Amino acid sequence: AQSVTQPDIHITVSEGASLELRCNYSYGATPYLFWYVQSPGQGLQLLLKYFSGDTLVQGIKGFEAEFKRSQSSFNLRKPSVHWSDAAEYFCAVGHYGQNFVFGPGTRLSVLP
Amino acid sequence: KAGVTQTPRYLIKTRGQQVTLSCSPISGHRSVSWYQQTPGQGLQFLFEYFSETQRNKGNFPGRFSGRQFSNSRSEMNVSTLELGDSALYLCASSLARINRSAKNIQYFGAGTRLSVL
Repeated sequence: AQSVTQPDIHITVSEGASLELRCNYSYGATPYLFWYVQSPGQGLQLLLKYFSGDTLVQGIKGFEAEFKRSQSSFNLRKPSVHWSDAAEYFCAVGHYGQNFVFGPGTRLSVLP
Repeated sequence: KAGVTQTPRYLIKTRGQQVTLSCSPISGHRSVSWYQQTPGQGLQFLFEYFSETQRNKGNFPGRFSGRQFSNSRSEMNVSTLELGDSALYLCASSLARINRSAKNIQYFGAGTRLSVL
C-alpha cells in the first residue's frame, strides 16, 4: 500500500530564514503529489501539486517543491519564511484508482 | 465562487447518540470526499461520493455512512457515537472522481469539529 512519511514532526525557524520540509513516499509508480497547509482550526489549503513534467513546481505564498524520483521525495521549500507561515503542513499522495493518502504532518513554528 | 462549506462548525454530542454533518461543494464539483482528522491518527480517508454513489471507502466501521444528493451536496452520518469519534471532519470537493484524472484537485472546507462526551 502506498504510504507517505514526513520525518519532522515539528520544525522551528526564525523569520527570514529558509525552510525545507521533507516528504517521502512509498509507491510502485510515480504518484500525484501535493502539499497542503492547515492553519489552526481551519481546513486544508493547497500549496502546490506535481503531476508530471518539470520536477520543480511553484506554488502559492512563495513555496516551491522538487520531485526527486530516485529518492521518492517531494520536499517543500521556501527561501524566506514569514511569521504567517506558521501552520501545519501535509504532504499527500494520490494515484489512479487509489485512495488519497496524507502524511502525518509537520508543524512549523516561526520565531520573530 | 464560493468555497466548500461545512455545517455546523462545532458539535457536542454524548456517547450513543448519532450525528449528521453537511457539506456543500464548490459549484460544478461533482465529487465529495470526507476525511477524519485526529491528533493520533492524522488525516484518514472516510469515503468519496460521486453522482450520488459511494465510489471509494476507507477503513472505518459501518457506523460511518454518507450520502450525496442530486445537487452534489453531501451528508455524513455517524451512529452510536463513541468517545474516539471526537475529531475534525473535513469535506473536500473536486470536479471529477479523485485519482481518476491527473488534473483533479481536492478543495477542502474548514471542517466540523465533533466532540463526544
